[in-house]
Amino acid sequence: GAGVSQSPSNKVTEKGKDVELRCDPISGHTALYWYRQSLGQGLEFLIYFQGNSAPDKSGLPSDRFSAERTGGSVSTLTIQRTQQEDSAVYLCASSEMAGFFRDQYFGPGTRLLVL
Amino acid sequence: GENVEQHPSTLSVQEGDSAVIKCTYSDSASNYFPWYKQELGKRPQLIIDIRSNVGEKKDQRIAVTLNKTAKHFSLHITETQPEDSAVYFCAASIIQGAQKLVFGQGTRLTINP
Repeated sequence: GAGVSQSPSNKVTEKGKDVELRCDPISGHTALYWYRQSLGQGLEFLIYFQGNSAPDKSGLPSDRFSAERTGGSVSTLTIQRTQQEDSAVYLCASSEMAGFFRDQYFGPGTRLLVL
Repeated sequence: GENVEQHPSTLSVQEGDSAVIKCTYSDSASNYFPWYKQELGKRPQLIIDIRSNVGEKKDQRIAVTLNKTAKHFSLHITETQPEDSAVYFCAASIIQGAQKLVFGQGTRLTINP
């Protein structure tokens, strides 16, 4: 079936604007993760959703970042009042079930550039 | 919290030679250690993983070893080929109500023909 998809693939915005990034996980995957990858860096965990449980938001870098997952499927990561240091590739991943070491499948990412 | 260190940051080997990438982790509770390969401009893809009940796992030219006592694990690629050139990330999973992977900083592997 289809893999994890993300949109937009690229986003250029001005400092101070809000942006929304979308992730469509693999159908049937109950766990969804957001990561951030800065240029030449590793992957930084941001937030995790599992079913109807409260999300693990421990990786969100500031209160400008928020995410929601509606209907247990699609997720939106919102960055308010963007700053230049928010420029990065934002990766979404999904897995069948958390807590049992299920493989995480990554989407292609959204490349965000804040001018 | 968990901290994962990965070395080296860059590695260049001749085609046909072996490559070894090493990672250490800090949380003794971690018990799942995947490796991801990320080609330029593409998404990370899982290539192999190991769980704490085994010390070594092999899949064709790729193998991973785990030393829980020393809290380190390594990726071994034998008979390297040009298509092995990529950035490789190790990760460790901690259980805090979620499978939250903590990634190393990555190793840029270049295979020279």
